[in-house]
Amino acid sequence: SQQGEEDPQALSIQEGENATMNCSYKTSINNLQWYRQNSGRGLVHLILIRSNEREKHSGRLRVTLDTSKKSSSLLITASRAADTASYFCATDGRVSGGYNKLIFGAGTRLAVHP
Amino acid sequence: KAGVTQTPRYLIKTRGQQVTLSCSPISGHRSVSWYQQTPGQGLQFLFEYFSETQRNKGNFPGRFSGRQFSNSRSEMNVSTLELGDSALYLCASSPRTSGGGTDTQYFGPGTRLTVL
Repeated sequence: SQQGEEDPQALSIQEGENATMNCSYKTSINNLQWYRQNSGRGLVHLILIRSNEREKHSGRLRVTLDTSKKSSSLLITASRAADTASYFCATDGRVSGGYNKLIFGAGTRLAVHP
Repeated sequence: KAGVTQTPRYLIKTRGQQVTLSCSPISGHRSVSWYQQTPGQGLQFLFEYFSETQRNKGNFPGRFSGRQFSNSRSEMNVSTLELGDSALYLCASSPRTSGGGTDTQYFGPGTRLTVL
């Protein structure tokens, strides 16, 4: 079963606008990650935020994490047509011992129109 | 460094057959994980290998198996294929060897398996 639920399922905006995607999860985590996927291809890592962090920035990306609400958001500012993709949040469900296991949300399909 | 490579990229099989997919991780990465992506179930974790040992396994039937070689390359095998096994199979590698939560995963382009 999926750990995260993303909202909205689909988002359509114009170039230059900001895009905000939300993710909720169920169990406690060590960290939360966001990935991008272009049209059924491999996933590209965007950003990792640890459970003791509240906000993180990377270029035009801003991620927030609220562990009390078990939620995260991804903001893409000044969007471009090249940002058109599906975006997934993924949590690790507090795995220990160095194990690598991601539990993905259903994803948000973002379409940025020129 | 070269990225994660997966072969083949596309595969068509019929029900009842078996299939082997291959993954070469980024040089120096010792952890290799496999994921299945379908429109209905989304992205689901299959298993993770580290130093030739399976460290973690998802909720999939025993028809799904894998292994890792001493050079960290990994294969996954699906026996007695079913129509529902049609999916994009993604491999990911990471360098992490110790605790602290799941490391950043570097994904390959995937193998698109179609079962007829």
